[in-house]
Amino acid sequence: AQSVAQPEDQVNVAEGNPLTVKCTYSVSGNPYLFWYVQYPNRGLQFLLKYITGDNLVKGSYGFEAEFNKSQTSFHLKKPSALVSDSALYFCAVRAIYNDMRFGAGTRLTVKP
Amino acid sequence: NAGVTQTPKFRVLKTGQSMTLLCAQDMNHEYMYWYRQDPGMGLRLIHYSVGEGTTAKGEVPDGYNVSRLKKQNFLLGLESAAPSQTSVYFCASRGTAGANVLTFGAGSRLTVL
Repeated sequence: AQSVAQPEDQVNVAEGNPLTVKCTYSVSGNPYLFWYVQYPNRGLQFLLKYITGDNLVKGSYGFEAEFNKSQTSFHLKKPSALVSDSALYFCAVRAIYNDMRFGAGTRLTVKP
Repeated sequence: NAGVTQTPKFRVLKTGQSMTLLCAQDMNHEYMYWYRQDPGMGLRLIHYSVGEGTTAKGEVPDGYNVSRLKKQNFLLGLESAAPSQTSVYFCASRGTAGANVLTFGAGSRLTVL
């Protein structure tokens, strides 16, 4: 079965600095990979996805993610963090059987 | 333009009581999902459905039942609630294309005393 690991519970960065939120996955076959964001008391919102093609994927709000097949990773990045980026971020993977599996989440805090 | 609507938003139950969470989507999506979110554990899939009249088990199905009698609705039932089912429940749906993203509801917070 597919699975996702987010090794960091918490990531703290200063506003204006680059940020990285890590994700590794395990799946049989080619993966569909996703990042979602959750703001307090809200449902999850889609940020970006990787299906095939260019390993660098660009998404909403200036976020991007890099797919690395050899390292089975899909790290989320942003060149310059904003305080408003503070939220809970989830990596997810989908392969067969039509279900989506999520990581445990990483709480990003951007300090002014 | 409601998207995915969950009712109720909050509920407190006593151990052993039963209840049903309703998820409704107006996007004509084939696939629907129920997740629970617990601190430090992310979202775990309870049950899902790939179309009207079909359901399948996810990662943590025990203690829950589901039904998809109409395409737009996906019901999650707890027959005999337990404190371990205290959680925030999220419904999501997506279309049929392989890489379609999930659209989530706002969540339902359930407390079992």
